[in-house]
Amino acid sequence: GAGVSQSPSNKVTEKGKDVELRCDPISGHTALYWYRQSLGQGLEFLIYFQGNSAPDKSGLPSDRFSAERTGGSVSTLTIQRTQQEDSAVYLCASSPAGPYEQYFGPGTRLTVT
Amino acid sequence: GNSVTQMEGPVTLSEEAFLTINCTYTATGYPSLFWYVQYPGEGLQLLLKATKADDKGSNKGFEATYRKETTSFHLEKGSVQVSDSAVYFCALSYGNNRLAFGKGNQVVVIP
Repeated sequence: GAGVSQSPSNKVTEKGKDVELRCDPISGHTALYWYRQSLGQGLEFLIYFQGNSAPDKSGLPSDRFSAERTGGSVSTLTIQRTQQEDSAVYLCASSPAGPYEQYFGPGTRLTVT
Repeated sequence: GNSVTQMEGPVTLSEEAFLTINCTYTATGYPSLFWYVQYPGEGLQLLLKATKADDKGSNKGFEATYRKETTSFHLEKGSVQVSDSAVYFCALSYGNNRLAFGKGNQVVVIP
């Protein structure tokens, strides 16, 4: 079956521009997570959705970062006024509700120039 | 807080050698523990997991035992292959099943 998909796979943007990253979770998975993978910080949790609600946003690094999820499915991570330190691979994962395995997408590599 | 520490640096070894990657954790409560693997050009995949103390997770010849007394979850494989070359991440879950990862270890297996 289809796994978690993310788009775009690569994004190069200029400092100060806004970007949107998309995640399509596995159908029926109610939990959705965003993580960031960078050389300096490793893999970091950003935000968790259960359905369309985000009960845990504690990992978002600044108010330039926001995310939403609609229809209990697709999620968009938005970074406003991008900075060079935002350069990283952004990973999305989904799972059924509860303590189940998270399935990861291939990631979006963001480069801020 | 909740965190995972992996041994520093890449691991280079010959085919059929024994592999150990150390992982220790700090956690409140009783987290589940995981090893994830990232093969070149691919996404993160779950390799194995353990959900309570003394559980042993195993998959593809890899094993790890949840040791509460030493707060460890070391990954082992008795005889590695070139195809095991990848980056390996130790992780724990807490809160809303969110994952905290170690820094990862690059494993290079030489034929």
